Amino acid sequence: EAGVAQSPRYKIIEKRQSVAFWCNPISGHATLYWYQQILGQGPKLLIQFQNNGVVDDSQLPKDRFSAERLKGVDSTLKIQPAKLEDSAVYLCASSLGQATQETQYFGPGTRLLVL
Amino acid sequence: GENVEQHPSTLSVQEGDSAVIKCTYSDSASNYFPWYKQELGKRPQLIIDIRSNVGEKKDQRIAVTLNKTAKHFSLHITETQPEDSAVYFCAASNNAGNMLTFGGGTRLMVKP
Repeated sequence: EAGVAQSPRYKIIEKRQSVAFWCNPISGHATLYWYQQILGQGPKLLIQFQNNGVVDDSQLPKDRFSAERLKGVDSTLKIQPAKLEDSAVYLCASSLGQATQETQYFGPGTRLLVL
Repeated sequence: GENVEQHPSTLSVQEGDSAVIKCTYSDSASNYFPWYKQELGKRPQLIIDIRSNVGEKKDQRIAVTLNKTAKHFSLHITETQPEDSAVYFCAASNNAGNMLTFGGGTRLMVKP
């Protein structure tokens, strides 16, 4: 089966600019997650969607980050304006459902560098 | 919220030796503990997981143990090979919607 797809793979921007990332989950997976992975750290959950609804966004910096999953399939994550500390790999993951113990499958990530 | 601590941050072993990575968690409601392997520049991939009703699980050279009373779980890799070199992450989740909290990672280096 095809895995989680993400684009772009790399992005370099200057601080205060905007950037958007795209994710296409595994076909049939209802739950989609966005994680931020700063160099040398574990992934940190930013937001979780169940179909097109938000399950949890408690760790999303809502003053600059936004995410949507309008049709319950693809998702976009936006940062506006970007700060230096946003430099990280943004990982998208998906699972069949949101029940506990559902395996999460990760995409290759988008590596963001903010200068 | 949940807090997961992982040790050591780096681990170097000789090929054929065993490697052990330990994690502790804070939320007693956590009941699912997956382990992910992330090679350099690649995506995290699930290698093994354990649920709270089980104390130990094995899959070939990999095993995971769970002590719910002490709130810690460990990954054991036997007969290590150079291709085991990677960063390993533990994680924990409870019944609240499958949200994973990850540890800080362990960089395992297996020397030939």
